[in-house]
Amino acid sequence: GQNIDQPTEMTATEGAIVQINCTYQTSGFNGLFWYQQHAGEAPTFLSYNVLDGLEEKGRFSSFLSRSKGYSYLLLKELQMKDSASYLCAVRDSNYQLIWGAGTKLIIKP
Amino acid sequence: IAGITQAPTSQILAAGRRMTLRCTQDMRHNAMYWYRQDLGLGLRLIHYSNTAGTTGKGEVPDGYSVSRANTDDFPLTLASAVPSQTSVYFCASSAQLHNEQFFGPGTRLTVL
Repeated sequence: GQNIDQPTEMTATEGAIVQINCTYQTSGFNGLFWYQQHAGEAPTFLSYNVLDGLEEKGRFSSFLSRSKGYSYLLLKELQMKDSASYLCAVRDSNYQLIWGAGTKLIIKP
Repeated sequence: IAGITQAPTSQILAAGRRMTLRCTQDMRHNAMYWYRQDLGLGLRLIHYSNTAGTTGKGEVPDGYSVSRANTDDFPLTLASAVPSQTSVYFCASSAQLHNEQFFGPGTRLTVL
């Protein structure tokens, strides 16, 4: 079966750095997405990785290792507004999108 | 309209009733999707459409139907609602199938 694993919940301190991991076992691989979802709101796109390595976008970076079936989202200089759920999704060989259950990130002052 | 809209925002429905959730996008995206989101389960795809006139089944299609008469609209119908269909429903669209998706604000549906 196809599976995406993410930690259910993480806590971090304002101003710090946090890394949210995502491991996947899918039928092939055609890209990995990260979305942010604030409580009671819709998911919004953060990043896309299809090749190994780090993609940086401001305070957010996303890393991919296809050989390890592994990605992480790195959030720097954490702000209170970063409190949200972070969803990992993988596009498989049939171009179907497989979603993880999400990681709830709690930021403390 | 800017982006993707859904209606209603929320609804309480008696079991056995028919209900249509509406979704409209103005980005001229080819692909559209319906998801349900339940606590601890993440997003699950109900139905999708690659382009106007075509639809496909997702992971959890039973009890739901869709149509795609034109590019902009993608309604989701529950023919006879059951309590297990209580959920938050998100509509989304993307330029091409399973590319970066843009989500609507969601419809919170409660079936009693």
